[in-house]
Amino acid sequence: GAGVSQSPRYKVAKRGQDVALRCDPISGHVSLFWYQQALGQGPEFLTYFQNEAQLDKSGLPSDRFFAERPEGSVSTLKIQRTQQEDSAVYLCASSIPDRVNEQFFGPGTRLTVL
Amino acid sequence: QKEVEQNSGPLSVPEGAIASLNCTYSDRGSQSFFWYRQYSGKSPELIMSIYSNGDKEDGRFTAQLNKASQYVSLLIRDSQPSDSATYLCVIGGSNYKLTFGKGTLLTVNP
Repeated sequence: GAGVSQSPRYKVAKRGQDVALRCDPISGHVSLFWYQQALGQGPEFLTYFQNEAQLDKSGLPSDRFFAERPEGSVSTLKIQRTQQEDSAVYLCASSIPDRVNEQFFGPGTRLTVL
Repeated sequence: QKEVEQNSGPLSVPEGAIASLNCTYSDRGSQSFFWYRQYSGKSPELIMSIYSNGDKEDGRFTAQLNKASQYVSLLIRDSQPSDSATYLCVIGGSNYKLTFGKGTLLTVNP
C-alpha cells in the first residue's frame, strides 16, 4: 500500500481483556516501530524491529505488552490483561535502513480500556 | 534522560503571517532533527528534516539548526489556516530512537 496501515482504528476493551493491534508497514520498509501516545503528549517509543528481529523492546511498559513480526512484514502488538492506564493511541511507524530515523507513521489505534 | 522542550502554546497567528516554532534539546550527541505535523486525531506527518547547522528551506517552511546552542526552529511563512495543527519537534540520536517533544499547537486565524 501507499502508507502504513493499522487496524483496528478504534478498540474498546474491558479491563482484563487481551487485545491485538495490527500494523502493516510500507512495502520494503525494513524497520518498524511501535509508539504509545497519551493525550496531549508526544509519542513514546515502545519497541523496534529490523525485519523479523526485535532489536529493542526497552520501551514496553510491562510484561503484559508483547510485539511480534514473524515474517518481517506485518507486526502485531499484543496487550494482555489490559488496564485503564493502557488507554492511549498506539502508533506504528516504518522506515528504510539508510534513513532509519525518517519514520512514516500509520493512523494509529485508539485503545480505550473501561 | 533525553529531553526535548518546545515553546509552550498554543500559538495563534493571523493568516499570511510568519509562525515561529522553537525547540531545545538536552543531548549533545543528537544527530538528526525533525519537525512533524499532527492534525487533531491524526498521525504525525514528517514535514522537515535537518542534519547540519544552518537553514533548510522547503517551500513555505524553513528549519534552522544550531547545535552549539542545542536549538532547532521551524518558520512557516505566509501561514494558512490549513497549517493549523500541533507541531512536534523530534530529535534522533546515533541510533534509531527518536525523542519527541510534547508539541506546540498552532492556530492560523483567517
